[in-house]
Amino acid sequence: AQTVTQSQPEMSVQEAETVTLSCTYDTSENNYYLFWYKQPPSRQMILVIRQEAYKQQNATENRFSVNFQKAAKSFSLKISDSQLGDTAMYFCAFMKPPGNTGKLIFGQGTTLQVKP
Amino acid sequence: DVKVTQSSRYLVKRTGEKVFLECVQDMDHENMFWYRQDPGLGLRLIYFSYDVKMKEKGDIPEGYSVSREKKERFSLILESASTNQTSMYLCASSLRGQGLQETQYFGPGTRLLVL
Repeated sequence: AQTVTQSQPEMSVQEAETVTLSCTYDTSENNYYLFWYKQPPSRQMILVIRQEAYKQQNATENRFSVNFQKAAKSFSLKISDSQLGDTAMYFCAFMKPPGNTGKLIFGQGTTLQVKP
Repeated sequence: DVKVTQSSRYLVKRTGEKVFLECVQDMDHENMFWYRQDPGLGLRLIYFSYDVKMKEKGDIPEGYSVSREKKERFSLILESASTNQTSMYLCASSLRGQGLQETQYFGPGTRLLVL
């Protein structure tokens, strides 16, 4: 069975600095999809970034980028120029290949606090 | 934009009560999901549905049931609420497609307290 591990329950960063959140996963699949979601204190879960495993190029979305290491089964999220609005809980998630009705497996979450 | 709404942000119920949590999405998504979120455990899948009147158990279905009579609406039912069902409940929906087309979009969540 697939598992997703976020080993950092809490992190903090100064405003304008860069922070990296870790995520590792375990799977025997070759094709799959990875996601980072953000859950601000207001609780609405928002998609941050997503990656297809067969694409070697790391996904980027403005200040958010990932470091996808397929062989190491690692999918870390880098937030550059951190802003106060980035304060949230971040979840890493794994989705099996098509044909599995798009079910997600989530990590435990990392609470990030951006300090002024 | 995809919009997923949940009927209540906060609910307080008594042990043994029947509880209904409602979720509605407006993007004609085939797939809908119910999760519960607990500290240190992340999100765990309770049930999901890939079509009207279709449902499948997730990882923790015990004590829950679901109903999907219309494509846009997916209800989670606690037949007899217990204190260990105190949690945050999140609904999500997605297209049925290939890979990233099945990205899930979430509602705001319902925080349920069972006394």
